[in-house]
Amino acid sequence: AQTVTQSQPEMSVQEAETVTLSCTYDTSENNYYLFWYKQPPSRQMILVIRQEAYKQQNATENRFSVNFQKAAKSFSLKISDSQLGDTAMYFCAFMNNNDMRFGAGTRLTVKP
Amino acid sequence: EPEVTQTPSHQVTQMGQEVILRCVPISNHLYFYWYRQILGQKVEFLVSFYNNEISEKSEIFDDQFSVERPDGSNFTLKIRSTKLEDSAMYFCASRAHGVYEQYFGPGTRLTVT
Repeated sequence: AQTVTQSQPEMSVQEAETVTLSCTYDTSENNYYLFWYKQPPSRQMILVIRQEAYKQQNATENRFSVNFQKAAKSFSLKISDSQLGDTAMYFCAFMNNNDMRFGAGTRLTVKP
Repeated sequence: EPEVTQTPSHQVTQMGQEVILRCVPISNHLYFYWYRQILGQKVEFLVSFYNNEISEKSEIFDDQFSVERPDGSNFTLKIRSTKLEDSAMYFCASRAHGVYEQYFGPGTRLTVT
């Protein structure tokens, strides 16, 4: 079974600074999809960014970008110019064969 | 912008009772999912549903759970005889064919007393 590991239970960053959240996964599959979801205090799950494993180019969505290292099975999220509204739980997720597995999450706090 | 909706937002039930959690996926989506999140823990996959049948299910999704798409818009999760440990947030999600990101509903908080 695929496993997703987020080794940083909590992180903090100053407003306007950059922070990187780590994620590693374990799979024997070659084709799969990776995602970062944000869960603010409202507990809504919000898609931040996605990456297809067959694409070498790292995905970017405005202030959010990923560093996808397929051989190392690593998928980190970089948040640039952090904003107070980025404060949330961030979950890394792996999807293959129509089921998605999440990591344990990283609680990010952006400090003013 | 279309969104996944879920009702009720909060359900309180007594142990041993049956509950049905309801979801309306985005209208042109074909793949449907249920997840649960015990307070303070990670989101756990329960089941995926496509073409009117279960396509994947996790070890959590035992005989106490069932899913149904009773009409063209609703997607339900039934728990036959609730246990205290079923208390959690339950999320429904959906995605379109050929697109792999899932869109989540706001969740139903289930409290079993």
